[in-house]
Amino acid sequence: NAGVTQTPKFQVLKTGQSMTLQCAQDMNHNSMYWYRQDPGMGLRLIYYSASEGTTDKGEVPNGYNVSRLNKREFSLRLESAAPSQTSVYFCASTLDSLGANVLTFGAGSRLTVL
Amino acid sequence: KNEVEQSPQNLTAQEGEFITINCSYSVGISALHWLQQHPGGGIVSLFMLSSGKKKHGRLIATINIQEKHSSLHITASHPRDSAVYICAVTPGTDKLIFGTGTRLQVFP
Repeated sequence: NAGVTQTPKFQVLKTGQSMTLQCAQDMNHNSMYWYRQDPGMGLRLIYYSASEGTTDKGEVPNGYNVSRLNKREFSLRLESAAPSQTSVYFCASTLDSLGANVLTFGAGSRLTVL
Repeated sequence: KNEVEQSPQNLTAQEGEFITINCSYSVGISALHWLQQHPGGGIVSLFMLSSGKKKHGRLIATINIQEKHSSLHITASHPRDSAVYICAVTPGTDKLIFGTGTRLQVFP
């Protein structure tokens, strides 16, 4: 099915471990986003990529890095995981501008850092 | 004060009731989005509005740009409508500012 695919769905890490969340879309979208969702705080933007080859920080970028590998893929890396990064992570994409296009979300990745 | 405020935060209804969820925002926007998230589930985009009104099935979304306010209505509510409904606004073109959501429970 067309859409946004993110992996893994669940992950448990120990403090200090690293991992990469993978995201791929097959809708030929230009813009891609990584959000985290925490109880009572709503969705917060970590990083985004307005087009292939560009990335920009969002609201909460500290502790994360991203790579826009190609037009389809946008990965999120935690170099040294901390308990504060326990969250549900969502990847999303849109064709171009959020002022004119809806956002399509992945199913989410639940990360627990012990 | 959050730039996007939703009310109510929690809402319970009996099946068949007409439901309204409100969203107020304090910034200039190019569009407003309504999203739906089922418990333990992913997030689905319901509407994107820049003016007027949109309807999809039993869902209706309206926006008043001058008053910086939007409403999401659900007619003939059903238990499967139980979810968190999230309002988000686009002040420019690249980012969304999210409300914290309205949790709706519809009982049979």
